[in-house]
Amino acid sequence: DTEVTQTPKHLVMGMTNKKSLKCEQHMGHRAMYWYKQKAKKPPELMFVYSYEKLSINESVPSRFSPECPNSSLLNLHLHALQPEDSALYLCASSAPLQGRTYNEQFFGPGTRLTVL
Amino acid sequence: GNSVTQMEGPVTLSEEAFLTINCTYTATGYPSLFWYVQYPGEGLQLLLKATKADDKGSNKGFEATYRKETTSFHLEKGSVQVSDSAVYFCALSPKTSYDKVIFGPGTSLSVIP
Repeated sequence: DTEVTQTPKHLVMGMTNKKSLKCEQHMGHRAMYWYKQKAKKPPELMFVYSYEKLSINESVPSRFSPECPNSSLLNLHLHALQPEDSALYLCASSAPLQGRTYNEQFFGPGTRLTVL
Repeated sequence: GNSVTQMEGPVTLSEEAFLTINCTYTATGYPSLFWYVQYPGEGLQLLLKATKADDKGSNKGFEATYRKETTSFHLEKGSVQVSDSAVYFCALSPKTSYDKVIFGPGTSLSVIP
């Protein structure tokens, strides 16, 4: 299995809702990432988990809350979002670095989020 | 700091035309360099990579050479197809911070029959 899966594919939510995005990989990767991508822009890094511990938080607002229950799963909990949070949310993973010098990330197809 | 600059397009080419998308970078030390491709409605896919100076990455007819002297990693393809229509992102990964991949702004390519 060489893919990263994300659910749901599309999500529409109101500003008072609580929802979660889910990401899964079964490649034995040690790091998992959340990115936010606005239309016609590059992905912006939000969070990185390395060996199930949060290692990078790019000053993301607290209305986004990541969770890594185990090495294969990554969640992003959403609460009290704003319309400007509407975007494509991408998950990625990468393998252990032993014996390599580069970080190749494998991306999921994304969740298209619309906040009304 | 680390940054990537690339021509933003959009670029429109006829099928079988030659493609060049320019990419230059600024980085401390010698980063790894990548080209990612994003087809409509999909996530990003790694197209090719180079980890040291003078390395040439290649895949699916695309090529890019890591040029340290000009800090460049230009993407080329000799004959594009309609199926190559996508957004192409040049990116770097600093050796000192493996988990951060810095993306360029992306270049939208449309290939017309």
